[in-house]
Amino acid sequence: DVKVTQSSRYLVKRTGEKVFLECVQDMDHENMFWYRQDPGLGLRLIYFSYDVKMKEKGDIPEGYSVSREKKERFSLILESASTNQTSMYLCASRPNPLREGWQTQYFGPGTRLLVL
Amino acid sequence: AQSVTQLDSHVSVSEGTPVLLRCNYSSSYSPSLFWYVQHPNKGLQLLLKYTSAATLVKGINGFEAEFKKSETSFHLTKPSAHMSDAAEYFCVVSDHKWAYDKVIFGPGTSLSVIP
Repeated sequence: DVKVTQSSRYLVKRTGEKVFLECVQDMDHENMFWYRQDPGLGLRLIYFSYDVKMKEKGDIPEGYSVSREKKERFSLILESASTNQTSMYLCASRPNPLREGWQTQYFGPGTRLLVL
Repeated sequence: AQSVTQLDSHVSVSEGTPVLLRCNYSSSYSPSLFWYVQHPNKGLQLLLKYTSAATLVKGINGFEAEFKKSETSFHLTKPSAHMSDAAEYFCVVSDHKWAYDKVIFGPGTSLSVIP
């Protein structure tokens, strides 16, 4: 089974702090994604990476950056946390389009971030 | 442009009665469509997916969905609701124009099951 893990289930940070959210997958997937989930808005894509050191902006990248130095790890960085970044953050991974079953994303359990 | 509409933000059914969660989508190309379920404080789990094969798709836990291109719909159904089905359900569309296609999530439908 694919396993996607996220470093923390809950985080509390103060406004202005730099925040790192880590995601690790164990299935050698090329594509990895960061979403935030807010009530009534579903999931919105922040950034995705289609391979090591590659990244693309999603729909709401402002205030965020990412790092993909190793294939299995995709980090989301809040350079200076703000209260409007309080949310549930979900990481996902999937294979590249050349591999069977590539359409399916596998999700981690999520990190609930509270910015005070 | 892609979009996903889930017509009901909340659905309530009695245990043992049918479930219908509605989803309409728009897509410029041949889409893949998915339903994911999220139980409280858990990650998202894939229920089923349509990727241009059979239009009636069977998933886990007795759920199924039918892709209707003429109606641009992908409604999720289950003949008999169980208490454990209470969760948030997301309809998802993914276009295939590009190799690294965009994935769009609907806003979600919260399903309650009454004993």
